[in-house]
Amino acid sequence: EAGVAQSPRYKIIEKRQSVAFWCNPISGHATLYWYQQILGQGPKLLIQFQNNGVVDDSQLPKDRFSAERLKGVDSTLKIQPAKLEDSAVYLCASSPTLAGVGNEQFFGPGTRLTVL
Amino acid sequence: RKEVEQDPGPFNVPEGATVAFNCTYSNSASQSFFWYRQDCRKEPKLLMSVYSSGNEDGRFTAQLNRASQYISLLIRDSKLSDSATYLCVVNGAEGSGYALNFGKGTSLLVTP
Repeated sequence: EAGVAQSPRYKIIEKRQSVAFWCNPISGHATLYWYQQILGQGPKLLIQFQNNGVVDDSQLPKDRFSAERLKGVDSTLKIQPAKLEDSAVYLCASSPTLAGVGNEQFFGPGTRLTVL
Repeated sequence: RKEVEQDPGPFNVPEGATVAFNCTYSNSASQSFFWYRQDCRKEPKLLMSVYSSGNEDGRFTAQLNRASQYISLLIRDSKLSDSATYLCVVNGAEGSGYALNFGKGTSLLVTP
């Protein structure tokens, strides 16, 4: 079974530029998550989709971050404009069932973003 | 207070040693608990779920104390390959879609 795919794997941009990340979850997984992991920290949830609807985006900095999951499959996360503190690994994860208790989440390899 | 707190370590132990990691969580309504493992520059992967009665998977034993809101992971007979960061993970409330809250992780280095 193919895992969660993410691209690009690495991205270097200058502050105030824009960047977009793409995620393709495991086939058939209803729930998709975007996390931000800053060096030395655990992953922090940015946004959670269930099919193509947003379940939780309370920690998404909406003035600069946006995400969508059209057709309930692939998802993109965009940062516009980027700040130095956005340097992190952006992890996409998916889980097979609707959000609920006990679901294992499967993570993609992440996109490592460096903002100069 | 952070939702999930862990001792960041690092824990440096020799091969064959037994090591224990602890974790506390703040949301008493949490219902699911996990330990994830994250290798350097890799994505987190589920190590094991944690059940109220405690559970064991080979050399790994997880315990949950709901009254104290405390989770532990015990690794017996440590191997070099156990070197990684161990993330304590607790699910959030129903209103958050049961999103997972991750601790900062505890770093383990097993040495020859």
